[in-house]
Amino acid sequence: AQKVTQAQTEISVVEKEDVTLDCVYETRDTTYYLFWYKQPPSGELVFLIRRNSFDEQNEISGRYSWNFQKSTSSFNFTITASQVVDSAVYFCALSVDDRGSTLGRLYFGRGTQLTVWP
Amino acid sequence: DGGITQSPKYLFRKEGQNVTLSCEQNLNHDAMYWYRQDPGQGLRLIYYSQIVNDFQKGDIAEGYSVSREKKESFPLTVTSAQKNPTAFYLCASSVSGTVNQPQHFGDGTRLSIL
Repeated sequence: AQKVTQAQTEISVVEKEDVTLDCVYETRDTTYYLFWYKQPPSGELVFLIRRNSFDEQNEISGRYSWNFQKSTSSFNFTITASQVVDSAVYFCALSVDDRGSTLGRLYFGRGTQLTVWP
Repeated sequence: DGGITQSPKYLFRKEGQNVTLSCEQNLNHDAMYWYRQDPGQGLRLIYYSQIVNDFQKGDIAEGYSVSREKKESFPLTVTSAQKNPTAFYLCASSVSGTVNQPQHFGDGTRLSIL
């Protein structure tokens, strides 16, 4: 069975602080993909990043960075110098390769509500 | 612009009534999905489809039905059998429905009970 846990329900920070959103996943599949999505107040989910199980390199994109560690089954997301516009719900998700039977479905965590105060 | 259009944005259902949520995409994607979002619950998969005239149940399909008669359209019907339909519904699509493809989402439909 696949499972994604985002233990932080809500996080509040003041602008310019760094913040890390945690994501822990469970799967027995050896080939899988991890995703992060942002859901602003408008409601749509915006794709941020995809990482496959064979690539443990960390990634940085502007103020965003992701740390993937297979040893701890974690895929954490850090926002550096947070801004008010970063306020949103952030979801971590998992997709596994079981020979096509699950058609690329995503298993989502419950999300972390991030509020950045000016 | 390419994207996913969900309508209506807000929908109200009376007891015993079926309602249909629309989802249209012009991304030429093969796979489409319906998710339900409840506060603090994350997104749960209702139905998904990889090709026209084929679809599979997700984790919470009871009380819902779908059709996939056209590649670009994947409407969701919330039937009277769904006893707790109040939620935010999100439609998504991906290029081919394979494991590595990110899904693209619409703006959602918020369904409430009158």
